[in-house]
Amino acid sequence: DQQVKQNSPSLSVQEGRISILNCDYTNSMFDYFLWYKKYPAEGPTFLISISSIKDKNEDGRFTVFLNKSAKHLSLHIVPSQPGDSAVYFCAARRKTSYDKVIFGPGTSLSVIP
Amino acid sequence: DAGVIQSPRHEVTEMGQEVTLRCKPISGHDYLFWYRQTMMRGLELLIYFNNNVPIDDSGMPEDRFSAKMPNASFSTLKIQPSEPRDSAVYFCASSSRRGDPYNEQFFGPGTRLTVL
Repeated sequence: DQQVKQNSPSLSVQEGRISILNCDYTNSMFDYFLWYKKYPAEGPTFLISISSIKDKNEDGRFTVFLNKSAKHLSLHIVPSQPGDSAVYFCAARRKTSYDKVIFGPGTSLSVIP
Repeated sequence: DAGVIQSPRHEVTEMGQEVTLRCKPISGHDYLFWYRQTMMRGLELLIYFNNNVPIDDSGMPEDRFSAKMPNASFSTLKIQPSEPRDSAVYFCASSSRRGDPYNEQFFGPGTRLTVL
């Protein structure tokens, strides 16, 4: 049973437009959320995170929004660039097990020039 | 720092053979994680170590899988005997809580395993 879900396996967006990647979770014990980015033939790299005490965190073109009541978070990329084409993993941590990260299945983003 | 190093990058083997994947974590990191990535299940945590001691191996699929960390700079993940369903990309990651309460993980490039 997946505790972190990314229901869109893939997404295509025109360069310059907004990319919105969605993530849902089931475990109410999660209190810290992360997004990782992965290029082909490379390992995932940390992109941005958000604590459950916040509802928004922004870093340049990347913003993560958290809706705790809906157990939903989203990653917004504005404006999207061809170099953003990658697989994006949503991930979460529990209060009682901060070392362990639970990953979603990933969403493959293609930004079309 | 060279980052997390994994070897081999690609491994092709036949069903029933023993496979050993290797990982060298970032120097100074005291956590080491083994993950498996498949199309169906995404990125799954198999096992993780803290100070060379296995902390949680609940993700190890079955007894055919074993992992060791004999010292702070080396870990192995062994599959014996291997089966076609073990075909996946296996990632190693390391991290440290020192100076980072959120224990950000740094991943290696992965080993792509194909079992025929």
